[in-house]
Amino acid sequence: QSALTQPASVSGSPGQSITISCTGTSSDVGGYNYVSWYQQHPGKAPKLMIYEVSNRPSGVSNRFSGSKSGNTASLTISGLQAEDEADYYCSSYTSSSTLEVFGTGTKVTVL
Amino acid sequence: QVQLVESGGGLVKPGGSLRLSCAASGFTFSDYYMSWIRQAPGKGLEWVSYISSSGSTIYYADSVKGRFTISRDNAKNSLYLQMNSLRAEDTAVYYCARGGIVAANFNWGQGTLVTVSS
Repeated sequence: QSALTQPASVSGSPGQSITISCTGTSSDVGGYNYVSWYQQHPGKAPKLMIYEVSNRPSGVSNRFSGSKSGNTASLTISGLQAEDEADYYCSSYTSSSTLEVFGTGTKVTVL
Repeated sequence: QVQLVESGGGLVKPGGSLRLSCAASGFTFSDYYMSWIRQAPGKGLEWVSYISSSGSTIYYADSVKGRFTISRDNAKNSLYLQMNSLRAEDTAVYYCARGGIVAANFNWGQGTLVTVSS
């Protein structure tokens, strides 16, 4: 099972919106609405930001939103803030024998 | 509040074994599936293994299948990962995580570092 494909880096200025893509196949992202997104600051454990494509856990800012089209899922961060600078990973259920697959990760830089 | 505390990491020689533990508190452990996820130094996240709430359903990543065994003790609110035939490429921080929705890990521990080196 290959990792889902994400851009290595995305940057934006404070207040702007950015979008991170996550591309898989019809066996994972495209086939099921079980895509999650995680935020990880350096030296810290990942934090769930989005589940089931577009749902936010309690306590996560509504500046974070998720969507999906075909085999590609997306995470949008609006009103970019300095604290959003972190690594972001997508994950998806997969119909392969391995159950779950993560994306390659995207480093978000706030300029 | 939900708390997950991993332990058991350390330095081990190639071919050796290690058993990781994850102590859970703040929720009804037996109601949730659990997973192990690892992160090699400077690298991305890699899903390792899943166990259902009862322990009856288990999945492994291809990279660890046949070498790692996941288990749980619901009476002790604990999750385990027995790692055998360890390789240099198994070097990583290992996180335990609480599931809830399919492929969504809602809570994570702080991780425990496993280093495989001679």
